[in-house]
Amino acid sequence: GAGVSQSPSNKVTEKGKDVELRCDPISGHTALYWYRQRLGQGLEFLIYFQGNSAPDKSGLPSDRFSAERTGESVSTLTIQRTQQEDSAVYLCASSLGTREQFFGPGTRLTVL
Amino acid sequence: AQSVTQLDSQVPVFEEAPVELRCNYSSSVSVYLFWYVQYPNQGLQLLLKYLSGSTLVESINGFEAEFNKSQTSFHLRKPSVHISDTAEYFCAASGGTSYGKLTFGQGTILTVHP
Repeated sequence: GAGVSQSPSNKVTEKGKDVELRCDPISGHTALYWYRQRLGQGLEFLIYFQGNSAPDKSGLPSDRFSAERTGESVSTLTIQRTQQEDSAVYLCASSLGTREQFFGPGTRLTVL
Repeated sequence: AQSVTQLDSQVPVFEEAPVELRCNYSSSVSVYLFWYVQYPNQGLQLLLKYLSGSTLVESINGFEAEFNKSQTSFHLRKPSVHISDTAEYFCAASGGTSYGKLTFGQGTILTVHP
């Protein structure tokens, strides 16, 4: 079956602009996660959606970051007023329950 | 808060040599442990996982990891590496107070030389 997909694969933007990153999870997966991987660093957790529960937003680095998920389907991560330190690969993952997570290919964001 | 420490940022080895990539975690409650691999220019792939049961888990390509609760470790080993094993390896944990989300180590770049 189809895996996790993300779009766009690459995004170049200017400092101060807003960006939206999209994630399509594996069909039927109840949980969806966003992570960030900055150059030379490990993955940082950003936000976690589980079914209809309130999302765990504890990893969002600032109020410029927000995310939404429609039911158990698509999620959008929005970064407002982008800064150069936001440059990273943004990874989405989904899982059935809370165990093995399957990752998408990521969106490489470059803020000039 | 849960943390995962990968003790080596880079590990160079020669082909057919054994390798161990070290990982320690901090958690006082039940924990799930994972190793993910990221090949050059590719996404993250799950290599192996420990959820419960046998403390020794194996992957299909010859890697194995052992869950050691007393030492809070989950080291990854392979008795004989190939050039194709060159990649970055991430140890991750979920459970305890961070149930669901993964906490990752900083990654270990394994480079296999001919």
